[in-house]
Amino acid sequence: GQQLNQSPQSMFIQEGEDVSMNCTSSSIFNTWLWYKQDPGEGPVLLIALYKAGELTSNGRLTAQFGITRKDSFLNISASIPSDVGIYFCAGLSDGSGANSKLTFGKGITLSVRP
Amino acid sequence: DTGVSQDPRHKITKRGQNVTFRCDPISEHNRLYWYRQTLGQGPEFLTYFQNEAQLEKSRLLSDRFSAERPKGSFSTLEIQRTEQGDSAMYLCASSLHYGYTFGSGTRLTVV
Repeated sequence: GQQLNQSPQSMFIQEGEDVSMNCTSSSIFNTWLWYKQDPGEGPVLLIALYKAGELTSNGRLTAQFGITRKDSFLNISASIPSDVGIYFCAGLSDGSGANSKLTFGKGITLSVRP
Repeated sequence: DTGVSQDPRHKITKRGQNVTFRCDPISEHNRLYWYRQTLGQGPEFLTYFQNEAQLEKSRLLSDRFSAERPKGSFSTLEIQRTEQGDSAMYLCASSLHYGYTFGSGTRLTVV
């Protein structure tokens, strides 16, 4: 079963607000990824984190790879209506071989009120 | 190159029928993955190819499921004797190193 915990299941924010999402795991991951999925589409990669403690930005998105390698957060600043969607965290144990499968959380559905 | 392509986008089939899905990965990517996603859940790993070799299969992949990647390029996923529980979005992804790119998926509905 899935090992990554994302909560709450849904978040409702006002346009222009910042929002932060957390993802925790009982296992260590060597790479953390954040994806956004729109209805009827596949997940799209937002940010990838490769080193414990790493803080990476992509436009209005900022994500951090926790020091313990068991957690990560994603922050969206100054939200806009097109930020609506489902946000998934995913962990990768080892990119080099048989463990290169991703483990996903259940996702957080973000709604942005104009 | 337009990314990972999956065909068909939607498939409705009667219980007991066989279905086959196709995935065309990004051309230079040597790794190809199949995932399954049900409503309200994240994608779950099914199987993984490096070039034409199938290196790992999940316990979710029952003996009714078979995946191939004959020439190390496109891949097919076949489900035999479909059951209602097989209804899901089937996602394909490809990668060269760490950067997974997903396709838009095939939505399977078994009636």
